[in-house]
Amino acid sequence: RKEVEQDPGPFNVPEGATVAFNCTYSNSASQSFFWYRQDCRKEPKLLMSVYSSGNEDGRFTAQLNRASQYISLLIRDSKLSDSATYLCVVSRGGTGGGNKLTFGTGTQLKVEL
Amino acid sequence: EPEVTQTPSHQVTQMGQEVILRCVPISNHLYFYWYRQILGQKVEFLVSFYNNEISEKSEIFDDQFSVERPDGSNFTLKIRSTKLEDSAMYFCASSDLVSSPLHFGNGTRLTVT
Repeated sequence: RKEVEQDPGPFNVPEGATVAFNCTYSNSASQSFFWYRQDCRKEPKLLMSVYSSGNEDGRFTAQLNRASQYISLLIRDSKLSDSATYLCVVSRGGTGGGNKLTFGTGTQLKVEL
Repeated sequence: EPEVTQTPSHQVTQMGQEVILRCVPISNHLYFYWYRQILGQKVEFLVSFYNNEISEKSEIFDDQFSVERPDGSNFTLKIRSTKLEDSAMYFCASSDLVSSPLHFGNGTRLTVT
């Protein structure tokens, strides 16, 4: 089983649509959870951290279900500029000298006119 | 906003040659990382570095790889004898606290011919 699993997509949606991405992780000891965004051939950029209580940042809402080891990202009123690959990322949490991140393969989103 | 910078943006080398990839992390950051992404695949952890020593490394980071922080600003990744399969995008990252999200540099595309 993959450590972090995502539907690769692509998700093709019209501008203004609401789209949801899901992710599952296998390591129950995971402590920190993130969504990163990656544009083609660019570096990953932090979109948002994911907290157990769920959190929202503008049009983006993230949820975490520790019991099911499941993370989600909801994008409302999608824009053309949201087109990118969305990476689900987990870590054990910072310990000692580092905080190793484990990435999913990403879900590709294409927002169309 | 401060950023992680990497040079060169693209490096082409012949199989068996040594390469050094350079990174300047954000100035007050203490934790440093290298990740790589083979084209079309997920981002993979290579190594974390703190307090002038490696804190964790992956199976990928074998004896051909080494890291160094030669002065107060640079963080380098050396591959001693490159192989075709080392061709990838290499990302440097840094964080100020062990549990903080990572800031990624814009990457070095390494092509081994």
